[in-house]
Amino acid sequence: GAGVSQSPSNKVTEKGKDVELRCDPISGHTALYWYRQSLGQGLEFLIYFQGNSAPDKSGLPSDRFSAERTGGSVSTLTIQRTQQEDSAVYLCASSPGGGGYEQYFGPGTRLTVT
Amino acid sequence: QKEVEQDPGPLSVPEGAIVSLNCTYSNSAFQYFMWYRQYSRKGPELLMYTYSSGNKEDGRFTAQVDKSSKYISLFIRDSQPSDSATYLCATGDNYGQNFVFGPGTRLSVLP
Repeated sequence: GAGVSQSPSNKVTEKGKDVELRCDPISGHTALYWYRQSLGQGLEFLIYFQGNSAPDKSGLPSDRFSAERTGGSVSTLTIQRTQQEDSAVYLCASSPGGGGYEQYFGPGTRLTVT
Repeated sequence: QKEVEQDPGPLSVPEGAIVSLNCTYSNSAFQYFMWYRQYSRKGPELLMYTYSSGNKEDGRFTAQVDKSSKYISLFIRDSQPSDSATYLCATGDNYGQNFVFGPGTRLSVLP
């Protein structure tokens, strides 16, 4: 079946612009995660959605970052007033339940802020 | 001390060798342990997950957890050039929500 998809695959933007990154999880997966991966770094947790519960936003690095998940499916991560330090690969993962130990990742969006 | 630590490598081995990849973690509440493989410019791919201590085998891959020493390992038998990738370990608590990933170990299997 179809895996997790993300768009765009690459995004180059100017400092100060807003960007939106999209994630389509595996159909039927109730949990969705966003991570950030910088060069040579591990995955940095950003936000977690589980069903209709309030999202866990504890990993968002600043109030310039926000995310929403519509209809329990597609999710959008928005970064406002981008900074150069936001340059990274943004990865989305979905999981069939709230356990989170079985996460399936998308290919990521490579964001470059110039 | 970071919650999950891995030797970043790179680790180079000849084809056919047995590879041992290791992580240490600090939080004794962690009950779930996962291994992911990440090829260059791709998303991580789940290899296997285990719960609590013990071993789990899947083909050429064996995951081992020693909770007493907070040490997790992934063994790859008969390594192949296609195994060349970065291997990430991850751990999480019993509620399955608080996951921490290690920085990954880069493995090269030379033909």
